[in-house]
Amino acid sequence: DQQVKQNSPSLSVQEGRISILNCDYTNSMFDYFLWYKKYPAEGPTFLISISSIKDKNEDGRFTVFLNKSAKHLSLHIVPSQPGDSAVYFCAARTNNAGNMLTFGGGTRLMVKP
Amino acid sequence: DTAVSQTPKYLVTQMGNDKSIKCEQNLGHDTMYWYKQDSKKFLKIMFSYNNKELIINETVPNRFSPKSPDKAHLNLHINSLELGDSAVYFCASSQWTAGNTIYFGEGSWLTVV
Repeated sequence: DQQVKQNSPSLSVQEGRISILNCDYTNSMFDYFLWYKKYPAEGPTFLISISSIKDKNEDGRFTVFLNKSAKHLSLHIVPSQPGDSAVYFCAARTNNAGNMLTFGGGTRLMVKP
Repeated sequence: DTAVSQTPKYLVTQMGNDKSIKCEQNLGHDTMYWYKQDSKKFLKIMFSYNNKELIINETVPNRFSPKSPDKAHLNLHINSLELGDSAVYFCASSQWTAGNTIYFGEGSWLTVV
């Protein structure tokens, strides 16, 4: 049973435009959400996170939005750059599980020059 | 300096063998993890370990066992390897306190033939 889902396996965007990556979750006990970025042959690297008490967190070109009622979060990248091309994983955590994360299946973002 | 390093990066071995993957972190973290990325690219937690407790994902076969000689190391031992164990294994570390960023190693590609 997949508790974190990324329904789009891939996304292609033109350089300079906005990239929107979506993530849905089913476990209402999740209280902290993260986005990780992964290049081929490398480990995932932390990108941005959001607590369940917030609905938006912004860091430079990256903004994460959380809609708790819909159990949905999204990552916006503006403007998109070719170096952003990677696989993006959504992850979530419950308060009683320390830092153990449940990951979505990932979305491959391709930013075309 | 690599924060979380794991060796070997690539490992090809025969069914039935016993193998180990080593992991070291130099971040001073108190908690280390092993994640598995399967053929469908899902990242799943296998173990979480700090000096107080080992948390095992109940879906992990008991052929897999983590061994921690000290706080900076968490090695993964796999007995009687099976074809289905072929995957990428990621070591990670963080402070146990919820909300701290988890840092991943570059991954170890295990192929069982």
